[in-house]
Amino acid sequence: KQEVTQIPAALSVPEGENLVLNCSFTDSAIYNLQWFRQDPGKGLTSLLLIQSSQREQTSGRLNASLDKSSGRSTLYIAASQPGDSATYLCAVPNSGNTPLVFGKGTRLSVIA
Amino acid sequence: DVKVTQSSRYLVKRTGEKVFLECVQDMDHENMFWYRQDPGLGLRLIYFSYDVKMKEKGDIPEGYSVSREKKERFSLILESASTNQTSMYLCASSPAQGDTEAFFGQGTRLTVV
Repeated sequence: KQEVTQIPAALSVPEGENLVLNCSFTDSAIYNLQWFRQDPGKGLTSLLLIQSSQREQTSGRLNASLDKSSGRSTLYIAASQPGDSATYLCAVPNSGNTPLVFGKGTRLSVIA
Repeated sequence: DVKVTQSSRYLVKRTGEKVFLECVQDMDHENMFWYRQDPGLGLRLIYFSYDVKMKEKGDIPEGYSVSREKKERFSLILESASTNQTSMYLCASSPAQGDTEAFFGQGTRLTVV
């Protein structure tokens, strides 16, 4: 069964810093990998989806990379802002293309 | 924009009540999912469905059932609510083929007293 680990569990940075969030998964035969953002008490917002054939995806200040062979993904956030403060979760399908298995997330605080 | 709508943001129910959590998606997605989220445990899969009238057990189905009579609607049922079912419940949907990006609802915070 797929297992997903996210490190660190929490991170606090000053505004303007570039930062990297890490995600690792145990079964490299994944269909895709998805990064989500969750604000306190809210649902999950999809940030980026990387297909297994892709190495990275970009959306604005966010860049996600995928290294299937090593079972790792990173989410890079450039020029962090206080509005980026949230929990970031990565998820991969348990088998085939569904359902998703989640890491426990990285709680990010960006200090003004 | 894809929209997944959960019927309630907050619910308070009594122990032993039968509770219905409703989820509707507007993008004609085949797949729908129910998760619960608890501090320290993360998101855990309760049930999922690949098609109308189909359902599959997830990792923690005990005490729950589901109904999918229409493609756009996936209901989670707590047959007899217990305090250990106090949690955040999250519904999601995704297409079956191609770009299988999953989208989530806003969550339902259920408290069982």
